[in-house]
Amino acid sequence: GDSVTQMEGPVTLSEEAFLTINCTYTATGYPSLFWYVQYPGEGLQLLLKATKADDKGSNKGFEATYRKETTSFHLEKGSVQVSDSAVYFCALTYAGGTSYGKLTFGQGTILTVHP
Amino acid sequence: DAGITQSPRYKITETGRQVTLMCHQTWSHSYMFWYRQDLGHGLRLIYYSAAADITDKGEVPDGYVVSRSKTENFPLTLESATRSQTSVYFCASSPRQGGSYNEQFFGPGTRLTVL
Repeated sequence: GDSVTQMEGPVTLSEEAFLTINCTYTATGYPSLFWYVQYPGEGLQLLLKATKADDKGSNKGFEATYRKETTSFHLEKGSVQVSDSAVYFCALTYAGGTSYGKLTFGQGTILTVHP
Repeated sequence: DAGITQSPRYKITETGRQVTLMCHQTWSHSYMFWYRQDLGHGLRLIYYSAAADITDKGEVPDGYVVSRSKTENFPLTLESATRSQTSVYFCASSPRQGGSYNEQFFGPGTRLTVL
């Protein structure tokens, strides 16, 4: 079956540091890939997405590129802020067929940014 | 209020009791989902629904029952709560446009504790 693996957390950084959160996936088909973010006490929000190989998703300074050859979708940001402290989830789904858009999530990575 | 809401936000119950978690969305999205969030597991799909009166099991359905008599509501019932069902529960909805599945929109979550 499909699965998503994220780097172990928690990740602790100083403000303005470079961020990478690794995500790799195993899929039987050609999925769409997502990064969701969960701020403390809230539900998940879509951060960015990519629907096919070599697509780059970007939002709020975060970027991730869909790499089919390495089955990866690593999240990066050049300069993190304290307000980026949250839990980040990598996920996949299939755009069609009988999947109904069900998401398969990684285990989540806690990011804490200190001033 | 527009959006997706969950109630209650917090619930404490005892082993063996029946508990119902409510989910309501105002967008008339076709698809709705229930996930549980546990440390180390990310989010796991419990049940999903493609439309009113159409539901199906997800990854971890045992001990849960759902119904969907109206498009906007998707309640989740724990028939006889167990300690292992202590978790944070998220409801999500998603539109279907042009034959493709789109991002899921998440509610704020319900934190359930079973004593």
